[in-house]
Amino acid sequence: EAQVTQNPRYLITVTGKKLTVTCSQNMNHEYMSWYRQDPGLGLRQIYYSMNVEVTDKGDVPEGYKVSRKEKRNFPLILESPSPNQTSLYFCASSLWGRGRGTEAFFGQGTRLTVV
Amino acid sequence: DAKTTQPTSMDCAEGRAANLPCNHSTISGNEYVYWYRQIHSQGPQYIIHGLKNNETNEMASLIITEDRKSSTLILPHATLRDTAVYYCIVISSGNTGKLIFGQGTTLQVKP
Repeated sequence: EAQVTQNPRYLITVTGKKLTVTCSQNMNHEYMSWYRQDPGLGLRQIYYSMNVEVTDKGDVPEGYKVSRKEKRNFPLILESPSPNQTSLYFCASSLWGRGRGTEAFFGQGTRLTVV
Repeated sequence: DAKTTQPTSMDCAEGRAANLPCNHSTISGNEYVYWYRQIHSQGPQYIIHGLKNNETNEMASLIITEDRKSSTLILPHATLRDTAVYYCIVISSGNTGKLIFGQGTTLQVKP
């Protein structure tokens, strides 16, 4: 079954404690990205990757890091989480990063709370 | 990428067709119309997309006006499980792949 898998689904952590949210896809997609969703602000892109070792900032990259060492994995790293990073996070992947064929598959989300 | 305008909310009776409009009056020739939906904080789900012709798949139909300035997503026989926020997104062929989600339309399917 084609899917994007995020882990963990829920996480409560303390300010400053480094954490990683994993994302893995089994569709051999080149393009992967991370979004955060906040009430009243909708979904906003954090980072994206168009292929292995190619990453770039989205609209709200501050406080986040990513890596793309393998095609299937695209972890989101919070080096020093702060309460304003409390949010619902989604990983997405698609076959091709350009307009045509941007049928993106999303993970089930990670609800992060930073206290 | 062109901006889209959607009604904030709509109701639909179960079993009836749900017609969700989207205005994208500034769309340009190389921009596609995509529809996604999000069911109660789950990950968004792709529904359908089109450029200028009407499209249909197992989930829905997409009707794009001839001038391409608006479109309508049609769920032919809405069920309670179709209750969700529906997003209309316009993406250019040169886009990096970023999806710009507006506020969408909250569709409530009622028994």
